[in-house]
Amino acid sequence: QLQLQESGPGLVKPSETLSLTCTVSGGSISSSRSYWGWIRQSPGKGLQWIGSVYSSGSTSYNPSLKSRVTMSVDTSKNQVSLRLNFVTAADTAVYYCARHLFRSSWFDFWGQGTLVTVSS
Amino acid sequence: DLVMTQSPDSLAVSLGERATINCKSSQSVLYSSNNKNHLAWYQQKPGQPPKLLIYWASTRESGVPDRFSGSGSGTDFTLSISSLQAEDVAVYYCQQYYNTPYSFGQGTKLEIK
Repeated sequence: QLQLQESGPGLVKPSETLSLTCTVSGGSISSSRSYWGWIRQSPGKGLQWIGSVYSSGSTSYNPSLKSRVTMSVDTSKNQVSLRLNFVTAADTAVYYCARHLFRSSWFDFWGQGTLVTVSS
Repeated sequence: DLVMTQSPDSLAVSLGERATINCKSSQSVLYSSNNKNHLAWYQQKPGQPPKLLIYWASTRESGVPDRFSGSGSGTDFTLSISSLQAEDVAVYYCQQYYNTPYSFGQGTKLEIK
């Protein structure tokens, strides 16, 4: 059974960079057809897909965040990472990593989520 | 972008009664190449991540009780709970995976009457 765990700072200052890591256990992030997505949830905007990354490093981002987002994979550590630049208070949210499959892009495995607050 | 709109925003149903939640997409999510509706439903309880209930609009995820069912096609979809149990109190979301950016409905809060 796949398990995902997000980690990273819970507090980020405005204009700085939010950096999170998702560690996957119980399976390989390189498994066929598995994509690794980041989704965030804030009271004002509900659930928002940020983007997804494949083990090859191929990415797909939400256009609304694309200019500020970078996702990457580290297959040696079975981890995926999210960086979001120039954060503002509007980026305060619970950030989840989740797995979906190619061409079957429902999210079947989720991490518990990590709250990131943007504040000085 | 594809916009998902759920109704109602909140719903109170008596134990043992049927609960029905609607989801409407701004364009069809029926993919012609596989004749499947690219729509999923999730349940989220406080302090927990969303849990997948249904995909392809009507296929229950393994382990999901059969009182949960999904229906609909094209732009209009329904999640039904045939006989509400206390543990079904949660917020329910629909999600389209027809195209990117993947998008979710705003959520429907289900409570006990």
